[in-house]
Amino acid sequence: DTAVSQTPKYLVTQMGNDKSIKCEQNLGHDTMYWYKQDSKKFLKIMFSYNNKELIINETVPNRFSPKSPDKAHLNLHINSLELGDSAVYFCASSQEGHLYEQYFGPGTRLTVT
Amino acid sequence: AQSVTQLGSHVSVSEGALVLLRCNYSSSVPPYLFWYVQYPNQGLQLLLKYTSAATLVKGINGFEAEFKKSETSFHLTKPSAHMSDAAEYFCAVTGRGSTLGRLYFGRGTQLTVWP
Repeated sequence: DTAVSQTPKYLVTQMGNDKSIKCEQNLGHDTMYWYKQDSKKFLKIMFSYNNKELIINETVPNRFSPKSPDKAHLNLHINSLELGDSAVYFCASSQEGHLYEQYFGPGTRLTVT
Repeated sequence: AQSVTQLGSHVSVSEGALVLLRCNYSSSVPPYLFWYVQYPNQGLQLLLKYTSAATLVKGINGFEAEFKKSETSFHLTKPSAHMSDAAEYFCAVTGRGSTLGRLYFGRGTQLTVWP
């Protein structure tokens, strides 16, 4: 009964391809996030959705497009992948009133060759 | 704007020794502060949080942290390290006025525990 799950765990692809990462949470939370962790372990927020509405959109290339079909899912689609997109992507969720107590998924390690 | 600085990207201690991981914050508004832990190949897990008047905060696994406004610090401590504490630790900050859940993370401190 995983709280926040991501698929796939590993993703290896070539430059120029389009790929998606899926995230699901079964905690009943209504806010979900995408973070990027670079090779030096620096963690930075990319997007946040609350009840399927985008509420945080940091300075991220528009090749990255989050989609939230319902409040339990937040997927990340990346177009025209570049070498610099290689990173670990984490999905997280939190409950209204406790936005900073974020529950993280196990991460998706994306490698662009 | 909010930010945190974690002093020391690597800390090594012997099992049973005191653990001290340092975090200093910068915030234009009264902050909320957090420590998260990341075990190898896993996501982050909340260790403890400072969001109220209680300046000494206790978390899971025997960790605690003290908010010191005069020093703009929120250092993480544990009296006696255990092998299972080996992980990456992240300090994070946000402004109390923010309702968006935007956390700003430090660059992390890798804790190694020697037997």
